[in-house]
Amino acid sequence: NAGVMQNPRHLVRRRGQEARLRCSPMKGHSHVYWYRQLPEEGLKFMVYLQKENIIDESGMPKERFSAEFPKEGPSILRIQQVVRGDSAAYFCASSPSGTGRQYFGPGTRLTVL
Amino acid sequence: TQLLEQSPQFLSIQEGENLTVYCNSSSVFSSLQWYRQEPGEGPVLLVTVVTGGEVKKLKRLTFQFGDARKDSSLHITAAQPGDTGLYLCAGGMYGGATNKLIFGTGTLLAVQP
Repeated sequence: NAGVMQNPRHLVRRRGQEARLRCSPMKGHSHVYWYRQLPEEGLKFMVYLQKENIIDESGMPKERFSAEFPKEGPSILRIQQVVRGDSAAYFCASSPSGTGRQYFGPGTRLTVL
Repeated sequence: TQLLEQSPQFLSIQEGENLTVYCNSSSVFSSLQWYRQEPGEGPVLLVTVVTGGEVKKLKRLTFQFGDARKDSSLHITAAQPGDTGLYLCAGGMYGGATNKLIFGTGTLLAVQP
């Protein structure tokens, strides 16, 4: 029973490039969440999605960031025109229903040069 | 703004000792999760508590949710070096149009052999 999968595990981008982070939830889970962990800071909620719907994006920066969870395939967190301040660990979590029991993936470490 | 304060921030103890980590907030949560995170990995779910006053035991770990569902504690009996890691509490906010975890500030535990 595979857990939450994220790829890539490490991603290096230059300022101005685009970053695409992928997340495959656990089998049977239809709720996906993205969190960001900045250096020396705690985990912060970004967005909550169900299949084809964004339910809560209150934690997403207003510009350059977007997320989707299509009917088929993984959830994607997309960051356009990356800046150094975007360097962080991005974690995806999934749950079978809309409760707090969320299971996390190993994260994607994004480094912006 | 919901805030979860954990104490202590750092704890270094000898193998065999007991310890308690506290997680406090002024907000009421629908649930309270405890996670452990290793360097370079995602948080691993240890337990979920949902009822005020609830106590759950997981081998040498005892978790308690406060009566008012605003605070929680994690007690470890006879700590072992394998318990070393970052312990995170996370309050669940869900229902309606949201479903997210508010993470605590973290407790870094080191158990010396």
